[in-house]
Amino acid sequence: QVQLVESGGGLVKPGGSLRLSCAASGFTFSDYYMSWIRQAPGKGLEWLSFISSGSATIYYADSVKGRFTLSRDNAKNSLYLQMNSLRAEDTAVYYCARLSLGRREFDCWGQGTLVTVSS
Amino acid sequence: QSALTQPPSASGSPGQSVTISCTGTSSDVGAYNYVSWYQQHPGKAPKLMIYEVSKRPSGVPDRFSGSKSGNTASLTVSGLQAEDEADYYCSSYAGSNNFVVFGGGTKLTVL
Repeated sequence: QVQLVESGGGLVKPGGSLRLSCAASGFTFSDYYMSWIRQAPGKGLEWLSFISSGSATIYYADSVKGRFTLSRDNAKNSLYLQMNSLRAEDTAVYYCARLSLGRREFDCWGQGTLVTVSS
Repeated sequence: QSALTQPPSASGSPGQSVTISCTGTSSDVGAYNYVSWYQQHPGKAPKLMIYEVSKRPSGVPDRFSGSKSGNTASLTVSGLQAEDEADYYCSSYAGSNNFVVFGGGTKLTVL
């Protein structure tokens, strides 16, 4: 079945770095656009970044632009989010999500990985 | 502050209908028919319930329906059931700069 599994979350100090991974299975990963979305504790959803199927197009939310880098490896069916200069306000559950083909909704989500930024 | 505005809470008794609003601008909700709604139960990942304003993915009960007028979209849940109690988030495509914006979420309580 279609599945996304995030990993790489954990506790990191302010100013530190972390790399999240998202392993895809059950579908042709290279066909799909992907995104990362986060949810701070007790808060709503925040879209962070988008990458096209071949990595030619990448967008970032202003809140992470210049600090986070999105990439993918279609040969490994994997999506990555390199997070640098982390701040306390980056503390959240991070979800990777698949965009429906040719559309703008997220039809499949991972279970999320928790990132805690604290000294 | 979220880009789209939703009421923080909504409620209804079993069997009743409830409508949740989602207000954006002429740059997002009003500009595109790419409004979607997600259901999130505590500790779980969001689940797509409505896409392209009013379409339901396979497996979503037809008790869930969506609509849009101008800059405001709405999700209606008819025949409320206990399992509908969850947080609901709207989202809209907002062009290549902002890409997707979400509402702040509405906690639906089934009384």
